[in-house]
Amino acid sequence: DTGVSQDPRHKITKRGQNVTFRCDPISEHNRLYWYRQTLGQGPEFLTYFQNEAQLEKSRLLSDRFSAERPKGSFSTLEIQRTEQGDSAMYLCASSPPTRAYEQYFGPGTRLTVT
Amino acid sequence: GNSVTQMEGPVTLSEEAFLTINCTYTATGYPSLFWYVQYPGEGLQLLLKATKADDKGSNKGFEATYRKETTSFHLEKGSVQVSDSAVYFCALEGSNDYKLSFGAGTTVTVRA
Repeated sequence: DTGVSQDPRHKITKRGQNVTFRCDPISEHNRLYWYRQTLGQGPEFLTYFQNEAQLEKSRLLSDRFSAERPKGSFSTLEIQRTEQGDSAMYLCASSPPTRAYEQYFGPGTRLTVT
Repeated sequence: GNSVTQMEGPVTLSEEAFLTINCTYTATGYPSLFWYVQYPGEGLQLLLKATKADDKGSNKGFEATYRKETTSFHLEKGSVQVSDSAVYFCALEGSNDYKLSFGAGTTVTVRA
């Protein structure tokens, strides 16, 4: 069990560019979550998947954000036309089917929009 | 909606001191409650949990009791070590959903 992995770990981009992040959950975990964390704050929920179905999206997830989990395994989070306010740590977590309340977090992708 | 309020930091302690971090919550129904810890340079890790009222979660010498009457889940450790220096987050999961709502985090520094 290698844990939740995220790629890249750091991303610097210019305002207006598109970025995509990847998350690989722990194998056999059917639920996958995305959170955003800004400096000095706790993580805020963005969206989650059960298998390949996206079951809930936060109001924080504007139209510029889209997430997919096409085969129920890895997931991608894309941000289009990035803005400086998008600068944050993007966290991915996964949980097993028998203990849905135990979320295991990845190391995060730190996004800086210049 | 669901929300969590936790004690502001930073908190600085000497080794072997007693640590308490207060956490209160607002939620409908019967949420599950958690403490997560983030050590320097590492990702969030689940420290302990309690899924129903009066449950006590414990791990690594830390304890927290789910108090529904006071809507609280305070974290305690009787004798901290330098290795306990980290950011601690209180969180809840609503009774009918799977997403976590986090507090703002409390930074704890333990000095030798």
